[in-house]
Amino acid sequence: QLQLQESGSGLVKPSQTLSLTCAVSGGSISSGGYSWSWIRQPPGKGLEWIGYIYHSGSTYYNPSLKSRVTISVDRSKNQFSLKLSSVTAADTAVYYCAREAGLGGAFDIWGQGTMVTVSS
Amino acid sequence: EIVLTQSPDFQSVTPKEKVTITCRASQSIGSSLHWYQQKPDQSPKLLIKYASQSISGVPSRFSGSGSGTDFTLTINSLEAEDAATYYCHQSSSLPFTFGPGTKVDIK
Repeated sequence: QLQLQESGSGLVKPSQTLSLTCAVSGGSISSGGYSWSWIRQPPGKGLEWIGYIYHSGSTYYNPSLKSRVTISVDRSKNQFSLKLSSVTAADTAVYYCAREAGLGGAFDIWGQGTMVTVSS
Repeated sequence: EIVLTQSPDFQSVTPKEKVTITCRASQSIGSSLHWYQQKPDQSPKLLIKYASQSISGVPSRFSGSGSGTDFTLTINSLEAEDAATYYCHQSSSLPFTFGPGTKVDIK
C-alpha cells in the first residue's frame, strides 16, 4: 500500500523560503504513469493545486504561484520536494502531497498534510 | 483557467435522506471531474473519479454522474459518518482546479 508523508518546517518567516518534502513508501516514485503533486489549503478554506512533477521529471506549476515555486524529485531517496520562495502570511496553509494516476487523472493517494505558518 | 462552482455551499440533512451536490465547470471538461470527501482535520479522500467511476472501498451509496459542464454527486441514504465537506476537481486542463466545497452537516 503506497503511502505519502510530508515533512518540513512548520514555521517560516516572511520573505523566506518554505521547504517541504514528501516521502513515498510502499512503491517507487519512478513508476511510470504517475505524477506527484503539491496541494495546499489555507485554514478554513478550500484546496489550491500548486503543481506537479511527472515521473519523467517534467514539471508544471500553477501560474498563480509559478514565479515562486520549484518542485523537484530525489529518486535515490524516493521523495519529492516543494520550495516556495518569498512567502507571506497568505502562504499559511496545510500543505498536502498527492499522487495523480496519470496525467489528467484523480488524486488517489494523499499525505496526511503538514501545517505551515508564515510569521515573524 | 477552468473555474468550478458548487451548489449548495452548505446542506443540513437528516440521516437516511438523499443528498445531491452539483458542480459546474466554466467550460466543457468531458468526464475529467473527480469528487473528494474531507472530514475535519483529515486529508481529502477520493470518492468518485472521471465523473461516475466508483472507487474501491467507497460505500455504494456514493455515486456520480454528468459530463461536459454539469456534474452531480449523490449520496443515497446519508449516514452520520458522511458529515464532511465535498470537493469537485477537474483534471481536463492545467492548472488543475477545485470547486469551493459543499459542507454537509447532519441534523
